[in-house]
Amino acid sequence: EDQVTQSPEALRLQEGESSSLNCSYTVSGLRGLFWYRQDPGKGPEFLFTLYSAGEEKEKERLKATLTKKESFLHITAPKPEDSATYLCAVQGPYGQNFVFGPGTRLSVLP
Amino acid sequence: GAVVSQHPSWVICKSGTSVKIECRSLDFQATTMFWYRQFPKQSLMLMATSNEGSKATYEQGVEKDKFLINHASLTLSTLTVTSAHPEDSSFYICSARFTPENTEAFFGQGTRLTVV
Repeated sequence: EDQVTQSPEALRLQEGESSSLNCSYTVSGLRGLFWYRQDPGKGPEFLFTLYSAGEEKEKERLKATLTKKESFLHITAPKPEDSATYLCAVQGPYGQNFVFGPGTRLSVLP
Repeated sequence: GAVVSQHPSWVICKSGTSVKIECRSLDFQATTMFWYRQFPKQSLMLMATSNEGSKATYEQGVEKDKFLINHASLTLSTLTVTSAHPEDSSFYICSARFTPENTEAFFGQGTRLTVV
């Protein structure tokens, strides 16, 4: 059974204080790993798709990396507007569905 | 990215009534749509997969007679919560893909359902 865990559950940073969020997964044949951002009361907003170990993608202050067992979302010099819940999801080789992790609630204080 | 629109954004209904939530892909045709449920501070739980022109596939534990899904066109899927009860109060989110195999998934803004 595909499983996704995320850590930490919640993270509080000062503005400018860089950090990383972890997503660990178990899936038989990864088709894709996805990072989403979700603001309170809103649907998830797509950030990145990673397909194979060693792959990296960047967008503004965010950088996502992937290994065979986990993915990291690195946040460099975060700003208060980066505060949100960050969700990780995986898709296995046969299923159409995404399996989501529980998310990391990030708070960036000014 | 592609746009998926949900309507309404929030709804309050009385216990025992039914409520319909619409999910539309605005600028692409979606052969597959997914319906999720999310409780406060929890992640998204898949309820069902909806393929255009065929019956929806429900996840284990989801009552198909209570959560009616219709995907009559390539741009519209609807979720009807029948005989709603307070425990059905939740945040419902849909997502859509171009094809069943396509990995990109786009999400609607969600619908907050409150049953009183």
